[in-house]
This record gives sequence, structure tokens and C-alpha cells, in this order.
Amino acid sequence: GQQLNQSPQSMFIQEGEDVSMNCTSSSIFNTWLWYKQEPGEGPVLLIALYKAGELTSNGRLTAQFGITRKDSFLNISASIPSDVGIYFCAGQLYNYGQNFVFGPGTRLSVLP
Amino acid sequence: ETGVTQTPRHLVMGMTNKKSLKCEQHLGHNAMYWYKQSAKKPLELMFVYSLEERVENNSVPSRFSPECPNSSHLFLHLHTLQPEDSALYLCASSPDGALYNEQFFGPGTRLTVL
Repeated sequence: GQQLNQSPQSMFIQEGEDVSMNCTSSSIFNTWLWYKQEPGEGPVLLIALYKAGELTSNGRLTAQFGITRKDSFLNISASIPSDVGIYFCAGQLYNYGQNFVFGPGTRLSVLP
Repeated sequence: ETGVTQTPRHLVMGMTNKKSLKCEQHLGHNAMYWYKQSAKKPLELMFVYSLEERVENNSVPSRFSPECPNSSHLFLHLHTLQPEDSALYLCASSPDGALYNEQFFGPGTRLTVL
């Protein structure tokens, strides 16, 4: 089946640092979504990307849709303690209709 | 209520019990989904409904039975589950549009099967 790889699997950073994580696949996607999940809650949509090369920001978050359509990255600037959580990417394939494929997640810890 | 709600938030059941999970969306969406989230594994899509018709069933065991009576409500009926079915069960909805189809998730039901 289709798979997404996310890296790093986990990261520990100091408050105030910038964070970068990415999502890669051997398949082409036509939509990329980035979600954040906190303990005991469902994933919350952060950013949606629809065009190759698209760069979209949401506050301190910036995400890009890779030119090859096989990858995407998420950057968080000036991290704060509430950024702690698991960040998931999800890709939608042309021929899969509504269905998204989810990555395994990047677990982010922010040290004060 | 706004967004996607799920009840109960926590459920403990024995292997011989029958229980149901409920999901309700207040977003006017046409598609609803059930996902299973287990520790250290990617989200697993279980069922997809579009306009109350099931469009996807990813080889889910028959002990899980979905029901979508209308576009705002989705149920997951559980019967004779196994301990390995313990997980977080997430419901999601989406507009079901051709291009802009972000999925919005509920908070999940944490299921423990004894």
C-alpha cells in the first residue's frame, strides 16, 4: 500500500528554537495536510496545501508542497511549550477520492 | 456544539459485550470517516461514508459494523472484540468536494477491551 515517511521520528528542542520536519513518499500526491495531535485529543488541521511548490503560513507555522509532489515540509519558528505534540502529515492521491494516507508522525518536545 | 463530537470519550468493555461509538458533525459536511489509531502506528482508515453511502471498507473485521443514518451522524457498532482492538477510535468529516477536502477530526474514543 501507499506509505508516507516522516522525519525525524521525535525531536527535543529548546524553547525559542526553530523546528523543521518533513514528509516523503514514493508516490505523487495532489493534496498535503499537516495536523497536530495533543495527548487525549484528535488531530487538529494546521495547514492544507493543494499545488506543487505552494508555500503557506499559519502564524509561526510554514509548510511547503514539494515540486516533485512527493514530499512536504513543516517549519515552526520560535517554538513555545504549547507546540508540544505529535505532528502528522497526510497525503491524498489522485485516484483515491476522499481517502488520505497518514504518516507515522513526528513527536515534538519543547524544553523550557 | 461545533465541529466534530464523539461519545463516549472513554470505553472499557469485555470481549463478549456489544457497544456503540457515536460521532456527530456540525460542519455541514457530506463525508464521514472512522479511523483506528494504535500506539506507534499510522492512522488506519476503517470506513468512509459519502452522502450516507459506504464508499470504502478497508478489510475491517466484521466485529466492527458502521452505520450512517444521515450525513451528520456516524456510528461504529462493536461486538465480540479482541484485546488487540484496544485503541483510540477517531471520527472525521470532510466537505467531500473535488479539490478542497480537508478532514476535521473529533476528539476520539479511547477503547479498552479486556
